[in-house]
Amino acid sequence: DAGVTQSPTHLIKTRGQQVTLRCSPKSGHDTVSWYQQALGQGPQFIFQYYEEEERQRGNFPDRFSGHQFPNYSSELNVNALLLGDSALYLCASSLLQGNNQPQHFGDGTRLSIL
Amino acid sequence: AQSVTQPDIHITVSEGASLELRCNYSYGATPYLFWYVQSPGQGLQLLLKYFSGDTLVQGIKGFEAEFKRSQSSFNLRKPSVHWSDAAEYFCAVGVYNFNKFYFGSGTKLNVKP
Repeated sequence: DAGVTQSPTHLIKTRGQQVTLRCSPKSGHDTVSWYQQALGQGPQFIFQYYEEEERQRGNFPDRFSGHQFPNYSSELNVNALLLGDSALYLCASSLLQGNNQPQHFGDGTRLSIL
Repeated sequence: AQSVTQPDIHITVSEGASLELRCNYSYGATPYLFWYVQSPGQGLQLLLKYFSGDTLVQGIKGFEAEFKRSQSSFNLRKPSVHWSDAAEYFCAVGVYNFNKFYFGSGTKLNVKP
């Protein structure tokens, strides 16, 4: 049973560029959440997707956007990259709320902005 | 506003010694509380969770945590630490039926031989 998979594992971009990160949820999960983890910090919630719609959003600018596909996989897009966007981006999947199922995390994508 | 505080940034214990990692939360309703562990370059692995009921919860790898509503705390404990427990530990609170998770800033655990 595959867990949460993320691609790519590492990525280097320059300021002003755009990036797309991908996530496949754990088998049987239908909800995907994205987090940003800066060096030495805990993960910060970016947003959550269910049924191809954004359900909740954290305090991140509109440069951060996402998408969920019918197969429940998800993408995180970041436009106009800033140096401060350098971080580990984590994807987590879970079942629909009410099932008391915690989130399962992938190993993340390490994004470096030069 | 919801928040999670882990007051200890680094902790060092000797192998075989007991461990307690502190976590305090701020949330107006009944919290759903979690402890996760992260090894270098890895994602987060769930150690244990509290939803309701018994305030002492057991997790994987011999960890346990106790929910104390009066102190707004959810401290993680292990009676005897192993060298393989060296990692970073994160406490988290789930709100709005888990639509949002708030994480603490983490505690790095070092284990001395």
